[in-house]
Amino acid sequence: KNQVEQSPQSLIILEGKNCTLQCNYTVSPFSNLRWYKQDTGRGPVSLTIMTFSENTKSNGRYTATLDADTKQSSLHITASQLSDSASYICVVSAKGSTLGRLYFGRGTQLTVWP
Amino acid sequence: GAGVSQSPRYKVAKRGQDVALRCDPISGHVSLFWYQQALGQGPEFLTYFQNEAQLDKSGLPSDRFFAERPEGSVSTLKIQRTQQEDSAVYLCASSTGIAIGNTIYFGEGSWLTVV
Repeated sequence: KNQVEQSPQSLIILEGKNCTLQCNYTVSPFSNLRWYKQDTGRGPVSLTIMTFSENTKSNGRYTATLDADTKQSSLHITASQLSDSASYICVVSAKGSTLGRLYFGRGTQLTVWP
Repeated sequence: GAGVSQSPRYKVAKRGQDVALRCDPISGHVSLFWYQQALGQGPEFLTYFQNEAQLDKSGLPSDRFFAERPEGSVSTLKIQRTQQEDSAVYLCASSTGIAIGNTIYFGEGSWLTVV
């Protein structure tokens, strides 16, 4: 069964600190992996997209890594800000599937305290 | 418009009532998707359109759910005889095409509560 598991479920950090969120998936055959940020009451916003051949991709203070062999990805947030408080969702798609048939994790709820 | 627009933002429906949720994708986006997001869960795929063609509707949970996009732009998700388990956020998303690297842009969602 195609699944996406994220950890931790929730995380609280102090402003300015770094953190790393984890994503493990069993989606096969793998096509690409995306990280989204979802603010409460808003739609998800894309942070990064990585295909099989990409190991790391950065978007400002966000850096995503991908190990397609172990089927793991991480999202590293540097120098956190209060506005980083949100749910971070790992999304994986399979080769040959409809583009929109994405497999979503449940998300990691990040809270940044001042 | 600048982003994916959904309406209504909030809808309270009595059990058994029919509802219609509207999605205005980003202008020029040929691909449109509907997702259902229950409280505390990640979004679940419902259906996908390429222009006016509904290419995948395998995620629709029952025959009470129906989606259309007659002119290849605005889409409507209709839920007939709503039930309490239909309570969720319904997210619409659009993309320029089906290439793997295309970004999928999400709307703010329509929050449906069935009482």
